[in-house]
Amino acid sequence: GNSVTQMEGPVTLSEEAFLTINCTYTATGYPSLFWYVQYPGEGLQLLLKATKADDKGSNKGFEATYRKETTSFHLEKGSVQVSDSAVYFCALSDRAGGKLIFGQGTELSVKP
Amino acid sequence: NAGVTQTPKFQVLKTGQSMTLQCAQDMNHEYMSWYRQDPGMGLRLIHYSVGAGITDQGEVPNGYNVSRSTTEDFPLRLLSAAPSQTSVYFCASRSPSGGSSYEQYFGPGTRLTVT
Repeated sequence: GNSVTQMEGPVTLSEEAFLTINCTYTATGYPSLFWYVQYPGEGLQLLLKATKADDKGSNKGFEATYRKETTSFHLEKGSVQVSDSAVYFCALSDRAGGKLIFGQGTELSVKP
Repeated sequence: NAGVTQTPKFQVLKTGQSMTLQCAQDMNHEYMSWYRQDPGMGLRLIHYSVGAGITDQGEVPNGYNVSRSTTEDFPLRLLSAAPSQTSVYFCASRSPSGGSSYEQYFGPGTRLTVT
């Protein structure tokens, strides 16, 4: 079945450091891929998405590229801020029914 | 628009008690779903609905019931709460129902503790 695997956290970085959170997936067909972010005490918000191979999603300085050959969708940001501290979830949505399947989440803590 | 709203925000139940978690959305979304979030396990789909009168099971449906009588509301019922149902519950909605590339909008969550 479909599944998503993320790098384990927590990840602790200093402000302005480079961020990479790895995400790989297993899926039949051509799923859409998402990164959601959950700030403390809140629900999930869509951060970015990509709907086909080689698409790059971007938002708020974050980027991720849909790599079909490596079945990956790694999240990157060149310079993190304290306000980026949150839990990040990689997810895929199958074409058939559109159900979201999540990775386990990666907690990011950015120190000043 | 209020988006997706959930009540209550917090709830403590004793084993065997029943309760209903409420979810409503004002975006006229066809697709609604319930997830539970547990540490180290991400979010797992409990039940979902592609429109009024249509519901289906997700990955972890046991112990939960749903119904969808209106487009706006999608309540989740726990008939006999168990400690294993201690979790944070999120409701989400999306339009259109068949749009797998469209984002889902999440409510703020209900934190449930079963003792």
